[in-house]
Amino acid sequence: AQSVTQPDIHITVSEGASLELRCNYSYGATPYLFWYVQSPGQGLQLLLKYFSGDTLVQGIKGFEAEFKRSQSSFNLRKPSVHWSDAAEYFCAGHRSNFGNEKLTFGTGTRLTIIP
Amino acid sequence: DTEVTQTPKHLVMGMTNKKSLKCEQHMGHRAMYWYKQKAKKPPELMFVYSYEKLSINESVPSRFSPECPNSSLLNLHLHALQPEDSALYLCASSQVGGGIPNTGELFFGEGSRLTVL
Repeated sequence: AQSVTQPDIHITVSEGASLELRCNYSYGATPYLFWYVQSPGQGLQLLLKYFSGDTLVQGIKGFEAEFKRSQSSFNLRKPSVHWSDAAEYFCAGHRSNFGNEKLTFGTGTRLTIIP
Repeated sequence: DTEVTQTPKHLVMGMTNKKSLKCEQHMGHRAMYWYKQKAKKPPELMFVYSYEKLSINESVPSRFSPECPNSSLLNLHLHALQPEDSALYLCASSQVGGGIPNTGELFFGEGSRLTVL
């Protein structure tokens, strides 16, 4: 079965420090991959997506992610976090081009920023 | 700014009430979704409408009744809910058909926070 795993439930980072959130996927073929961010009480906002091509993907708010087929990973990175980055982050995957296929979410990583 | 609009943002209802959640999108998407999200959990899929027809029902109790009046609107009718139904209800839409690959990319609304007393 297809799955997306986020190993870290909660990460705390100092403001200005770099960030890496981990995501691993298990699919028969390369899926479409996404990172969403959710601030408290809000909906999910798409940060970035990977469909094919360049394995380093740039997103909004200064985030990037790197697709590594050999490691089945799609980790999210930011060189310098801001207090406003505190939120819940969800990695998600979708089996390519299958109709009626559902988006599979990871369990989420909660990011706390300390001054 | 989200292009998927959900109303109301907050709803408190008793277990005998009948209420509705509404969702609207004007991106020309032909698939619309309802998700339920409990605190500190990922969204759970409830229903999918594709071209205004119900295509997925994730074994949701009948006290939740979805409706898709047209390609831009999605409703979720609520009746005889239980306190455990209290959650954030998210609407989403996606582009399907027309020769466009089904990538699974979803556009979410801000959600409706439901409290059942």
